[in-house]
Amino acid sequence: TAGITQAPTSQILAAGRSMTLRCTQDMRHNAMYWYRQDLGLGLRLIHYSNTAGTTGKGEVPDGYSVSRANTDDFPLTLASAVPSQTSVYFCASSDPQGVGYTFGSGTRLTVV
Amino acid sequence: QKEVEQNSGPLSVPEGAIASLNCTYSDRVSQSFFWYRQYSGKSPELIMSIYSNGDKEDGRFTAQLNKASQYVSLLIRDSQPSDSATYLCAVLTSGTYKYIFGTGTRLKVLA
Repeated sequence: TAGITQAPTSQILAAGRSMTLRCTQDMRHNAMYWYRQDLGLGLRLIHYSNTAGTTGKGEVPDGYSVSRANTDDFPLTLASAVPSQTSVYFCASSDPQGVGYTFGSGTRLTVV
Repeated sequence: QKEVEQNSGPLSVPEGAIASLNCTYSDRVSQSFFWYRQYSGKSPELIMSIYSNGDKEDGRFTAQLNKASQYVSLLIRDSQPSDSATYLCAVLTSGTYKYIFGTGTRLKVLA
């Protein structure tokens, strides 16, 4: 089934450790996005990529980095995790741009 | 003022009734508007998109857009318990390909 695959599904991470959340899509969508979802705050954009080779900062980029080496993959890296990064992380893609997202199933991250 | 505002709810309606979900946005030049449904513990799924003033119907769902009032709504007719979820309003920000989401309205349909 075509769509977006995120891994891992959930993770408990010690503060100060690094981690990469993986996101792969097979729809050949140009644009990809990372959001975090927190109770009462909704979905907030972390980073985005309009096309392979380009990335941009969203609303809450601090503490996160991304890369877009090819069309299919858009990993999100936490270089040194802090408890405030405890959240549910969703990867999404869209193509053509502006007609709504397809979301991955999410990664639930707990930083302790 | 938040860019996209929704009442957090919960909005409780009896089975078979019409559920009305509302959303306001601040960017006057926004052109694209979306409604997503999110079940607890799941990812959001797109259920409606609307780009022009007026109504757009798809089955039991009707999206309504009023750009002059910066207001978009979602009506769910013949509400079912399976419609119980959080409904997210999203607006495509002008000049970008990024969406701004409201915090969502939780809908409870009572059997």
